[in-house]
Amino acid sequence: ETGVTQSPTHLIKTRGQQVTLRCSSQSGHNTVSWYQQALGQGPQFIFQYYREEENGRGNFPPRFSGLQFPNYSSELNVNALELDDSALYLCASSLTRSNTEAFFGQGTRLTVV
Amino acid sequence: DQQVKQNSPSLSVQEGRISILNCDYTNSMFDYFLWYKKYPAEGPTFLISISSIKDKNEDGRFTVFLNKSAKHLSLHIVPSQPGDSAVYFCAASINRLTGGGNKLTFGTGTQLKVEL
Repeated sequence: ETGVTQSPTHLIKTRGQQVTLRCSSQSGHNTVSWYQQALGQGPQFIFQYYREEENGRGNFPPRFSGLQFPNYSSELNVNALELDDSALYLCASSLTRSNTEAFFGQGTRLTVV
Repeated sequence: DQQVKQNSPSLSVQEGRISILNCDYTNSMFDYFLWYKKYPAEGPTFLISISSIKDKNEDGRFTVFLNKSAKHLSLHIVPSQPGDSAVYFCAASINRLTGGGNKLTFGTGTQLKVEL
């Protein structure tokens, strides 16, 4: 059984650019959540996808968007990158949307310069 | 507005002793609480959880206590081992059974160092 994998592991982008981060959920998990962890902070909930539909969103602007595919893998897209978007982006999958035990990937470290 | 707070950024204990990590929350709607452990360059790993209808949950060396009236929970690790050295995050969720379960609100974390 494979765990949650994220790609790429590190990324450097220029302010104003767009970025796509990818996540493969754990086998059998239909729910994926994305979190942003700034330096010295705890992870902050961005949004969640359940069976390809957005199922809740945190306090993030619309330039943060996502997708979930039929195989339950997911993408996080960020447009018009700002310096404050520099953070570790974590993907977490869970068996169902009511299951609290979320399994996290290792994260993608995004640096915006 | 920090709804989940971990006021101790770091904690150092000796091997074999008890580690107590604390967490406070402000939102009375939280109905499920979790602790995650994070090593450098890895994602957080689920450790233990507790429902708001309970006041204690135990799993091996790890015990979580919940005091709803004080809006406070704590994680006890006994005995502490060097491999427990990591950042510990407290997290909470609302409406677990209706789909809110894994929309987690995290604290800022406590760095635990277990010394030989």
